[in-house]
Amino acid sequence: DTGVSQNPRHKITKRGQNVTFRCDPISEHNRLYWYRQTLGQGPEFLTYFQNEAQLEKSRLLSDRFSAERPKGSFSTLEIQRTEQGDSAMYLCASSLALGGGAGREQFFGPGTRLTVL
Amino acid sequence: SQQGEEDPQALSIQEGENATMNCSYKTSINNLQWYRQNSGRGLVHLILIRSNEREKHSGRLRVTLDTSKKSSSLLITASRAADTASYFCATALSGGGADGLTFGKGTHLIIQP
Repeated sequence: DTGVSQNPRHKITKRGQNVTFRCDPISEHNRLYWYRQTLGQGPEFLTYFQNEAQLEKSRLLSDRFSAERPKGSFSTLEIQRTEQGDSAMYLCASSLALGGGAGREQFFGPGTRLTVL
Repeated sequence: SQQGEEDPQALSIQEGENATMNCSYKTSINNLQWYRQNSGRGLVHLILIRSNEREKHSGRLRVTLDTSKKSSSLLITASRAADTASYFCATALSGGGADGLTFGKGTHLIIQP
């Protein structure tokens, strides 16, 4: 399967713990995005990378959240000192951007469901 | 915050009927996209319409865009049970290097056999 993969699929943690999620995009895609989705809502954009550069961050990305894409391939999203409000599905997507410009078709992974107790 | 708002929030129709969903947004866009999300599955891209396009077709899907009214509609013709899912519109803002999509809350579509 050459789609976007995310690990783990589920994570249960206690409040105050740190968690890290991984996303492996489609191999030839240069852009990688992170979104968060809560029940009954649409996904909310968190951040995106073009290759290894983090180009945009949402106001939702508090200082407890950090994302990296060190070699321009896979990405990690870390949440420090988790809070119950962080419980959500964390979605990763990738796309191929040729030149500049915005808004191409994004391919989503299955998500990581985080539950903070 | 979510820019797009889908209408209706929920829609239940009989198999074979057509389903129409609407989306409104607030700011200037580069393009508008529709995605489908099945229970337990990830989001799947359906169709993208650019700001200078007014209508686009893909199989049983027809999308319209009215930038003067900041609205779009998705029509699914001859619905099937497998079309049961949540449908989201997503906008890509114009300019500034921004590329994160802004999603609405979605329309939950149920196709009854």
